[in-house]
Amino acid sequence: GNSVTQMEGPVTLSEEAFLTINCTYTATGYPSLFWYVQYPGEGLQLLLKATKADDKGSNKGFEATYRKETTSFHLEKGSVQVSDSAVYFCALSDHLQGAQKLVFGQGTRLTINP
Amino acid sequence: DTAVSQTPKYLVTQMGNDKSIKCEQNLGHDTMYWYKQDSKKFLKIMFSYNNKELIINETVPNRFSPKSPDKAHLNLHINSLELGDSAVYFCASSQAGTGGGQPQHFGDGTRLSIL
Repeated sequence: GNSVTQMEGPVTLSEEAFLTINCTYTATGYPSLFWYVQYPGEGLQLLLKATKADDKGSNKGFEATYRKETTSFHLEKGSVQVSDSAVYFCALSDHLQGAQKLVFGQGTRLTINP
Repeated sequence: DTAVSQTPKYLVTQMGNDKSIKCEQNLGHDTMYWYKQDSKKFLKIMFSYNNKELIINETVPNRFSPKSPDKAHLNLHINSLELGDSAVYFCASSQAGTGGGQPQHFGDGTRLSIL
């Protein structure tokens, strides 16, 4: 079946550091890929997405490129802030009759120190 | 003007009890979902409804029964609660669309604790 593997956390960085969180996937067909972010005590929020190979999703300084040849969708940010501290989830979607089944990675907890 | 709202936010109850969690979305979406997040933050889909029709039904004990009275509501009823049911349950919704690229909008979760 489809699966997503994320970089093990937790990850701790200093403010303004460069961030990479690795994500690879296994899927049949051509899934859409997502990064969701979960702040403490809240639900998940969409951070960015890409729906086909070589698409780059970007939002709030975060970027990820859909790489079909390496089955990867790594999340990057050039200069992180304390407010970026959260849990980040990589996910792929299977489209089924009007619904989409999101398969999530295990999540990566990110802590940014001032 | 909350987009996806769940009630209650916290639910503490005894083993063996029956409880319900309610979810409502005001985004006009056709599809709603229930997810379970365990203590290690792992998220797994449980159910999905599209226009009141069950589309996704993962391997979930039949003590869990979703009910969708209309496309804006998807409730989750749990019978005979067990210790292993302790988790955070998230409701989500999305536009049906095609191709699977529609983002899902999540509620803030219901933290269920079984004593």
